[in-house]
Amino acid sequence: DAKTTQPNSMESNEEEPVHLPCNHSTISGTDYIHWYRQLPSQGPEYVIHGLTSNVNNRMASLAIAEDRKSSTLILHRATLRDAAVYYCILRWEGSQGNLIFGKGTKLSVKP
Amino acid sequence: EAQVTQNPRYLITVTGKKLTVTCSQNMNHEYMSWYRQDPGLGLRQIYYSMNVEVTDKGDVPEGYKVSRKEKRNFPLILESPSPNQTSLYFCASSVYLGEGGNEQFFGPGTRLTVL
Repeated sequence: DAKTTQPNSMESNEEEPVHLPCNHSTISGTDYIHWYRQLPSQGPEYVIHGLTSNVNNRMASLAIAEDRKSSTLILHRATLRDAAVYYCILRWEGSQGNLIFGKGTKLSVKP
Repeated sequence: EAQVTQNPRYLITVTGKKLTVTCSQNMNHEYMSWYRQDPGLGLRQIYYSMNVEVTDKGDVPEGYKVSRKEKRNFPLILESPSPNQTSLYFCASSVYLGEGGNEQFFGPGTRLTVL
């Protein structure tokens, strides 16, 4: 699986948008971009995934660069509950297997 | 409620005393797996199972066993635990979303301490 690079930590204010970047310059054409997050004292949870087009769901939006070498997870209005470690993961199409977690980005949200 | 459950949630044991951590999912998922999470090393896969009676090693399988006799259960067995297996363990099950998406559902974790 191709590697991803994320900032170690980021801070945000409550109710402001948050843009979490991820670089994946060696991504292949069949790699999907997945985001998971891990709240304190909990298991990881799925956030969103995409291939080429931007994606929206109830939790977040995923903006994918045209060359696919980077992507950004967007939380439109951060809440205190969004404080977590966010992982950007590349997955081969059709893979059911291992999620390779990097160190992720620890997001802190200030009231 | 769709969920993955693990038991026990916390366990302190001694070196060499066999233990089993149970994992159960109620979503009829075919794929299940076990991860361990350690500071500085992140989450690493131990074993996974594509379906009943089909299991395979992940990245760090040494010292662990698994079995998959039923679709819903995937226990993790430590035959002779050692202190280096002190860790936070997560069980997960997976559903294929289509278009390259596999959503993995994780359990709440089991914190194991081996003295």
